[in-house]
Amino acid sequence: AQTVTQSQPEMSVQEAETVTLSCTYDTSESDYYLFWYKQPPSRQMILVIRQEAYKQQNATENRFSVNFQKAAKSFSLKISDSQLGDAAMYFCAYRRGIQGAQKLVFGQGTRLTINP
Amino acid sequence: NAGVTQTPKFQVLKTGQSMTLQCAQDMNHNSMYWYRQDPGMGLRLIYYSASEGTTDKGEVPNGYNVSRLNKREFSLRLESAAPSQTSVYFCASSARTSGINEQFFGPGTRLTVL
Repeated sequence: AQTVTQSQPEMSVQEAETVTLSCTYDTSESDYYLFWYKQPPSRQMILVIRQEAYKQQNATENRFSVNFQKAAKSFSLKISDSQLGDAAMYFCAYRRGIQGAQKLVFGQGTRLTINP
Repeated sequence: NAGVTQTPKFQVLKTGQSMTLQCAQDMNHNSMYWYRQDPGMGLRLIYYSASEGTTDKGEVPNGYNVSRLNKREFSLRLESAAPSQTSVYFCASSARTSGINEQFFGPGTRLTVL
């Protein structure tokens, strides 16, 4: 069974600085997708960024980027120029690439605090 | 568009009571999902419906039943609530089952079972 591990329960960063959240996963498959979701205090789950395993190029969305290391099964999230609105729980998630595969497997989450 | 809506937002039950959580999406999505989130944990899949007329078990289906009423609506029923079912429940939907299609989440229902 696939598992996703986030080893940092909490992180903090100064406003305008850069922070990296770690995620590792365990799978024997070669085709899959990886996601980072943000959950602010409102509880709403918001997709931040996604990566297809077959793509070598790291995904980027504005201030958010990933470092995808397929051989190491690592998928870290870098937030540049941190803003107060980035404070939230961040979840790493995995989904198999086969047709009909539905299950998103989530990590335990990392609580990110932004210090003004 | 409202996206994914869930009712109720909060609910308190006594052990043994039953209730149904409602979910609806207006994005014409084929697939819908029910997750639960316990404190300090990520979301875990309870049940999903790949398309109208089909439902399948996820990771933690025990104690729950689901109904895909039509393409828009997917309900989750607790027949006899237990304190272990105290959790936040999220409904989600996605356009299709293949590719990197995104799952869109509702705002969640906080359920407490006394």
